Amino acid sequence: EAQVTQNPRYLITVTGKKLTVTCSQNMNHEYMSWYRQDPGLGLRQIYYSMNVEVTDKGDVPEGYKVSRKEKRNFPLILESPSPNQTSLYFCASTRGGPQGPLWNNEQFFGPGTRLTVL
Amino acid sequence: SQQGEEDPQALSIQEGENATMNCSYKTSINNLQWYRQNSGRGLVHLILIRSNEREKHSGRLRVTLDTSKKSSSLLITASRAADTASYFCATDNTHGSGNTGKLIFGQGTTLQVKP
Repeated sequence: EAQVTQNPRYLITVTGKKLTVTCSQNMNHEYMSWYRQDPGLGLRQIYYSMNVEVTDKGDVPEGYKVSRKEKRNFPLILESPSPNQTSLYFCASTRGGPQGPLWNNEQFFGPGTRLTVL
Repeated sequence: SQQGEEDPQALSIQEGENATMNCSYKTSINNLQWYRQNSGRGLVHLILIRSNEREKHSGRLRVTLDTSKKSSSLLITASRAADTASYFCATDNTHGSGNTGKLIFGQGTTLQVKP
C-alpha cells in the first residue's frame, strides 16, 4: 500500500530533550515536506526536500533540523524542544519536483505526530 | 502566510443534503487543491483543479474555480455521516511557492453531517 508513515504518533517530552520524528514514504517520491498544524494558524511548512541531500527552509524552520540521506526517509529533528513547538506535525511527499514534468504538487500526508513539550 | 480563506468556518447539515464550501485566495495560482482531514488525522487529497480549468468532478464532489474572482467552491452532493471532517483548500501559487513546492492552506471548513 502506498503510504507515508510517521513515528511516533504521540510524544510527550520535556524542554531541551532532543527528539527525532521519523517519516518514510514507499512511493519513490522525490519531494518531501514537513508541516506543523496549529489552531488558528493552519498548516505551515517547516522544511522541504526536493531530493536526496537537497533540503531547504520553509516558513517556520527555527528550532528544527532535517536530513535526507535516502530518498524514502525525511526525519525531523528537534535539538532542544521548547513548549512553543507543541503541535501536530505532518510529513508529506509528492511525486517529482517543482520543475519536473510529473509535478502537480498533490501531496500525500502521513497520519501526523502529536507532540507535547512540557 | 495563509492566503486561502474558507467560508463558512463551520457547516452542519443533515444526511442527504448537499454541502457547499467556498475558498478565496489572493495571488495567481498554478492549481488549487482540496483536502479532507478527519479529526486529528492526516490530510487526504480529494481533487486538484488547474488554473485553466473551470469545473471538475470526482464522484460526489464537484469543484469550481473562478480565477477572475480568485475563488473556488467544493460541493459534496448527497452527504453522508462519513463525510464529517474538516475540508481545506490549498493553492500552489506562482508567486509565493516559487521553487519550494509549498502549498498554502486555508483555515478549513468543519463539516458535520448529522445522520
